Amino acid sequence: EDQVTQSPEALRLQEGESSSLNCSYTVSGLRGLFWYRQDPGKGPEFLFTLYSAGEEKEKERLKATLTKKESFLHITAPKPEDSATYLCASMNSGGSNYKLTFGKGTLLTVNP
Amino acid sequence: DTGVSQDPRHKITKRGQNVTFRCDPISEHNRLYWYRQTLGQGPEFLTYFQNEAQLEKSRLLSDRFSAERPKGSFSTLEIQRTEQGDSAMYLCASSSPYGISYNEQFFGPGTRLTVL
Repeated sequence: EDQVTQSPEALRLQEGESSSLNCSYTVSGLRGLFWYRQDPGKGPEFLFTLYSAGEEKEKERLKATLTKKESFLHITAPKPEDSATYLCASMNSGGSNYKLTFGKGTLLTVNP
Repeated sequence: DTGVSQDPRHKITKRGQNVTFRCDPISEHNRLYWYRQTLGQGPEFLTYFQNEAQLEKSRLLSDRFSAERPKGSFSTLEIQRTEQGDSAMYLCASSSPYGISYNEQFFGPGTRLTVL
């Protein structure tokens, strides 16, 4: 069964203090690894898809990377508006079901 | 492109009542998914449609839950004889198998269900 584990569960940063979030995944075959941002009371907002080890994608202060067992979301010089829960999800390459298996998320708080 | 919409946004019901939620996917997205999210957890997969065909249902989806997608457009999720354990955020997502957004799922705002 596919599993996704995110760490830490919560992270507090000062504005401008860079850090990384970790996502470890176990899947028989990876179709894709997805990162989402979720604000309280809202649906997840798509950030990135990574398809193969070594791939990197960037958007503003965020950069996502992928290895064969982990993905990292690097946050450079964060701002208070980056505060949110960041969710990681895997998609298995087997069969015709394109469901996402999510981790529990990392709650990021950026203090001004 | 108006995004995924869900209705209602909030629903409060009494235990034992039936509830129905609606999801309108992004136009021309032929894949539609339902997930459930409880506090402090990531979304959990419930069911998946490709066009009007329901291709997979999770073990989480008891026989009190039923989902439809007539004509491959909007979808409904019905919960019969609600229980307090059904209280959660119900999320709908859609995706397309084509183009630069290949396999990317876009979520709606969710329906928050509270069962008293």
